[in-house]
Amino acid sequence: AQKVTQAQTEISVVEKEDVTLDCVYETRDTTYYLFWYKQPPSGELVFLIRRNSFDEQNEISGRYSWNFQKSTSSFNFTITASQVVDSAVYFCALSEAYAGGTSYGKLTFGQGTILTVHP
Amino acid sequence: DADVTQTPRNRITKTGKRIMLECSQTKGHDRMYWYRQDPGLGLQLIYYSFDVKDINKGEISDGYSVSRQAQAKFSLSLESAIPNQTALYFCATSNGQSTDTQYFGPGTRLTVL
Repeated sequence: AQKVTQAQTEISVVEKEDVTLDCVYETRDTTYYLFWYKQPPSGELVFLIRRNSFDEQNEISGRYSWNFQKSTSSFNFTITASQVVDSAVYFCALSEAYAGGTSYGKLTFGQGTILTVHP
Repeated sequence: DADVTQTPRNRITKTGKRIMLECSQTKGHDRMYWYRQDPGLGLQLIYYSFDVKDINKGEISDGYSVSRQAQAKFSLSLESAIPNQTALYFCATSNGQSTDTQYFGPGTRLTVL
């Protein structure tokens, strides 16, 4: 069975600090997808990134970067120079897939990390 | 207009009542999902549907039922609501292709007294 663990329940930083959110996953499939979602105080879930298991390149999008390491089954998320607007709950999620790449469709979520950025 | 809409956004009901939560999407996606979110537990899958004739149970389907009325509509029913079904409920959609990514509605906050 697949499992996603976000060991950090809550993180508190001061604005402009860098912060890394950890995500460790378990799966028996060789083809799978990893995701990060953001849930701001308003409550909606915002898609941030999707990464497939065959692509271990790190990705950077503005102040956000993601580090995917299959050897340690981790998909960590770093926010550089954090801002108050980054305060939210962040979820890591996993979807297993068929060998051809089509996702099974079911997402398994971690418990979420509450990030608070203080001014 | 939002691509995935949920109604109602907030609902308070009493134990034993039947309640329906509705989800509509304009993304043209075949796949639709219902999740519930409890504090500290992330999101858990209740039901999912890959097309109008394909409906499947998720991790926590007991006490819930669903109906896929059309490609764009997927409703969740609580047959006889109980207090521990108080939660935030999300609908999501995805295209079922190699770029499959789930996009979520705004959520429905349900309180069962």
